[in-house]
Amino acid sequence: NAGVMQNPRHLVRRRGQEARLRCSPMKGHSHVYWYRQLPEEGLKFMVYLQKENIIDESGMPKERFSAEFPKEGPSILRIQQVVRGDSAAYFCASSPPGLQGAEAFFGQGTRLTVV
Amino acid sequence: KQEVTQIPAALSVPEGENLVLNCSFTDSAIYNLQWFRQDPGKGLTSLLLIQSSQREQTSGRLNASLDKSSGRSTLYIAASQPGDSATYLCAPGGSGTYKYIFGTGTRLKVLA
Repeated sequence: NAGVMQNPRHLVRRRGQEARLRCSPMKGHSHVYWYRQLPEEGLKFMVYLQKENIIDESGMPKERFSAEFPKEGPSILRIQQVVRGDSAAYFCASSPPGLQGAEAFFGQGTRLTVV
Repeated sequence: KQEVTQIPAALSVPEGENLVLNCSFTDSAIYNLQWFRQDPGKGLTSLLLIQSSQREQTSGRLNASLDKSSGRSTLYIAASQPGDSATYLCAPGGSGTYKYIFGTGTRLKVLA
């Protein structure tokens, strides 16, 4: 059972471009969480999704950021018109369905650099 | 809104010492609490998961306790080793949406 897979591991984008970050949860997991870690800071919750639904997006910036978790395929975090302040490590986590208090497993992260 | 504080922010100790890392959280309505380890430039590794109904969990040299009513958790590391050097993160899992809120971490350095 492969762990949470994120790709790419490193992504460089010029200001104004779009960044697409992908997360494949562990097999059997239908809950996905995205977190952002700015340099020298802690992990900040961004969004929590279940298959085809956004459950909690209270940590998402109001503009330029969106997330989806389609019925088929990985979860995608999309950042439009990136700016230098978007440079950070973006982590995805997954947990199984229907279990309150289930353990969350994290991917290795995507490190986005905006130049 | 859940807020998580970890003390100390940084710790440097000689090899072999027993360590105590503290975590406090403001909202006690949690389902569980996880302790993670993060190595520089790497992802998060889950160390211990304590359910809200439990008081402690042990794995090898690690022991985590949870006092949900007072909003505190403690991670004990016995006989520390240089390989334990990393940032340790505490994350209570909230009710309702299951999301984890992270503390700022304790940066541990164990000297050989």
